[in-house]
Amino acid sequence: AQTVTQSQPEMSVQEAETVTLSCTYDTSESDYYLFWYKQPPSRQMILVIRQEAYKQQNATENRFSVNFQKAAKSFSLKISDSQLGDAAMYFCACTNSGAGSYQLTFGKGTKLSVIP
Amino acid sequence: GAVVSQHPSWVICKSGTSVKIECRSLDFQATTMFWYRQFPKQSLMLMATSNEGSKATYEQGVEKDKFLINHASLTLSTLTVTSAHPEDSSFYICSAKHDTGRMDTQYFGPGTRLTVL
Repeated sequence: AQTVTQSQPEMSVQEAETVTLSCTYDTSESDYYLFWYKQPPSRQMILVIRQEAYKQQNATENRFSVNFQKAAKSFSLKISDSQLGDAAMYFCACTNSGAGSYQLTFGKGTKLSVIP
Repeated sequence: GAVVSQHPSWVICKSGTSVKIECRSLDFQATTMFWYRQFPKQSLMLMATSNEGSKATYEQGVEKDKFLINHASLTLSTLTVTSAHPEDSSFYICSAKHDTGRMDTQYFGPGTRLTVL
């Protein structure tokens, strides 16, 4: 079974500053994918960024980047130049491809507040 | 691209009635869709995996007869909450797996808020 741990229930960041959200995971799979999803107050889950475990290069999407440390099983999300619209719940997730269905295992989430 | 719709966005029903929620992938075909339930201030809880043309796979503790799932086409999955009771009130979210051959990704619908009176 996979587990995903987000140790920061809440975080805050000043607008235009940088913040890093932590995520650790545990899996017995050799091939897996990692994701960060954002859930704003509308509750629509939005894909932020994704990473293939076999790729050493950290994924980047505009102001969002990850620090993927495979040996440490760590997958943190860095948000640069934070904007008010970044305020949301952020969920880290890992796939379970063992059954071929690519089920996602989610962490409990980190609530990010952006201070104007 | 990779848009998933969900209908209705909210529904209020009386105890004992059935409610159907539709999940559609609008611009891609999805052989696999997922249904989640989310309680306030909590993470998503997977209820079942829906595969086109076959029976859904339910997670442990989820009643198959209460939560009927039908994945009749590559773009549509439905969740029917049968004989709904107040404890079934929740936020239900579907997702569709976009099959790209590598790093298949789940895209989520906007969710349905169910209130059972």
